[in-house]
Amino acid sequence: DAKTTQPPSMDCAEGRAANLPCNHSTISGNEYVYWYRQIHSQGPQYIIHGLKNNETNEMASLIITEDRKSSTLILPHATLRDTAVYYCIAYFSGSARQLTFGSGTQLTVLP
Amino acid sequence: DAGVTQSPTHLIKTRGQQVTLRCSPKSGHDTVSWYQQALGQGPQFIFQYYEEEERQRGNFPDRFSGHQFPNYSSELNVNALLLGDSALYLCASSELPPNYGYTFGSGTRLTVV
Repeated sequence: DAKTTQPPSMDCAEGRAANLPCNHSTISGNEYVYWYRQIHSQGPQYIIHGLKNNETNEMASLIITEDRKSSTLILPHATLRDTAVYYCIAYFSGSARQLTFGSGTQLTVLP
Repeated sequence: DAGVTQSPTHLIKTRGQQVTLRCSPKSGHDTVSWYQQALGQGPQFIFQYYEEEERQRGNFPDRFSGHQFPNYSSELNVNALLLGDSALYLCASSELPPNYGYTFGSGTRLTVV
């Protein structure tokens, strides 16, 4: 699986959009970009994934650059409950290989 | 719809002892994976079970072993506990292949003293 790079920490004001970047310059053509988050002392929670098109669900939007070397997770209206560590993972589900977690980005939503 | 259930939630053991952690996967999932998460780090893959067999294994010693039962539930066993085994142990379930991602439990916090 391709290595991903994320900033270690970010702050966001409550009610504003949180934009979390991820670099995955060595991603291969069949690897998806997955995002998980982990709220303190809980298990990781799946957020969204995509291959090359932008994706949106009830939790977030995922914007993937045309060259697929980077992506941005967008939480449109961040709340205090969105404070968590966010993990970006490049992963090919067809291989059934395991998720490789990096250090992630600690997002702190400020009141 | 019940998600992934892990037990116990917290556990304290003494060095050298053995421990068994349990996991019930999400309904409809037949694959169980175990991860170890040390404080301040991301989860590290231990092993995966499918059809009652260990299918993949991460870089963990043989002291770590597991089992999957016919109802897809799973156990993680750790022998000869070390202080360094203190961590949050996470169970994740999925279909195979996991096209829709993994569902994680809340974990078992193991403290070795």
